[in-house]
Parts: sequence; C-alpha cells; structure tokens
Amino acid sequence: DQQVKQNSPSLSVQEGRISILNCDYTNSMFDYFLWYKKYPAEGPTFLISISSIKDKNEDGRFTVFLNKSAKHLSLHIVPSQPGDSAVYFCAVAAGGTSYGKLTFGQGTILTVHP
Amino acid sequence: NAGVMQNPRHLVRRRGQEARLRCSPMKGHSHVYWYRQLPEEGLKFMVYLQKENIIDESGMPKERFSAEFPKEGPSILRIQQVVRGDSAAYFCASSSVRTPSFHEQYFGPGTRLTVT
Repeated sequence: DQQVKQNSPSLSVQEGRISILNCDYTNSMFDYFLWYKKYPAEGPTFLISISSIKDKNEDGRFTVFLNKSAKHLSLHIVPSQPGDSAVYFCAVAAGGTSYGKLTFGQGTILTVHP
Repeated sequence: NAGVMQNPRHLVRRRGQEARLRCSPMKGHSHVYWYRQLPEEGLKFMVYLQKENIIDESGMPKERFSAEFPKEGPSILRIQQVVRGDSAAYFCASSSVRTPSFHEQYFGPGTRLTVT
C-alpha cells in the first residue's frame, strides 16, 4: 500500500528546457511536502518544500506546486542543467502520531542532456 | 562542515555478526531519524529519536534492530545477528525546531551495509 507514488521511473530532458516531476499521494492528512535530490552513493539533499496552506513555492530555478484536491504535487526545474541529473524523491509528512516521519516516493531518475 | 555525519561509510559483516552504525546530527539539531534504502527502492522510515528518547519506532523491524540517541555522543543504530536481507544503505537525518519547518530533514551520506 504505497501512500506516495512517483509514477515516472525516469525522465529525459534537453538542457535549457523545463523538467516536470510528479508525485501523487493518497492520505489527505499529509500537510507538508518536500522534494529531495539524490546522487549515487550520497545522501538525499533537501531542495524545496511546501505546506498544505499554500499551492506554490518558488526558490530560484525550482518551483513546487501543490494541488490538494487532486492530492498531487509537482516540481518544475527551469531551465534544466546537466548538473540536475539525479534521482528526485518527493516526501510527505503528517502531524499527529506520525509527526517527524517522512514517507518517500520511489524516485524519478532525471537525465538532462547537454 | 556542520552537516550530518555518518560512519562508517561502508561496512561489511558476515551473517550472524553485529553491525553498529553511527550518526552525528547537524550542530544545533536535537532530532534524529534513521531511514533504510533497499536496492531499487525508496527510503523507508525506521525510527525517530530525541536525546535519550525514542519518539517513533514504527518502522523498525521487531527483532534484532535497536536505536539510541544518548545524552552525550552520536546516535547508534544497532543490528544484531545480521542476515543478507539487511544489506542496504542506511541514512541518518536530523532536524531542528528552529528550521523553517520541523519537517525539513537534512541527511547524512549514508552507511552502506553489505552482509556476506
């Protein structure tokens, strides 16, 4: 029973274009959403986050969009650069007894071609 | 470098031995989390600790696994009598109530455990 799904295992994009990574979740109790980037043999690096009271958060080339009614979030990277090639994980958090626990999607491998 | 530190980075154990993984959180962080990534899978939550307290261990296997975060020193994830299925990357993360959000966890480089 996967509560967080990233349905695209991989995405290939040309340098300079937009990369759009998607994530769906099932539990409406989730109230905080994060994106992490991971290179091989390294730990995940925090990229950007958004709380459930917002529908958009922007940080430089990275923008996260949240659609609560559809239980869907996305990460836009504009413009994409070869150094963005990595595995991207979405993660979600809830309050209550799950406070502190992040639930991760399976990841999407992004490849940005020069 | 005030990032999350983990050691060792690589650990090889024979079946039946014990594995001890250490994690020092970022300076100023008092919340520590352990996650496991099995091959070809995402990260799975194991345990959440504060100093001298286990807050949530809902992701820990019922047997052979334990975790602590003592008043002094690093957090330790201990796996007794390791089996081949324990081979994975184990990541530690930390957070602080003073970050923009408590949920923003910062990860260490991981310990890659191989059981032979």
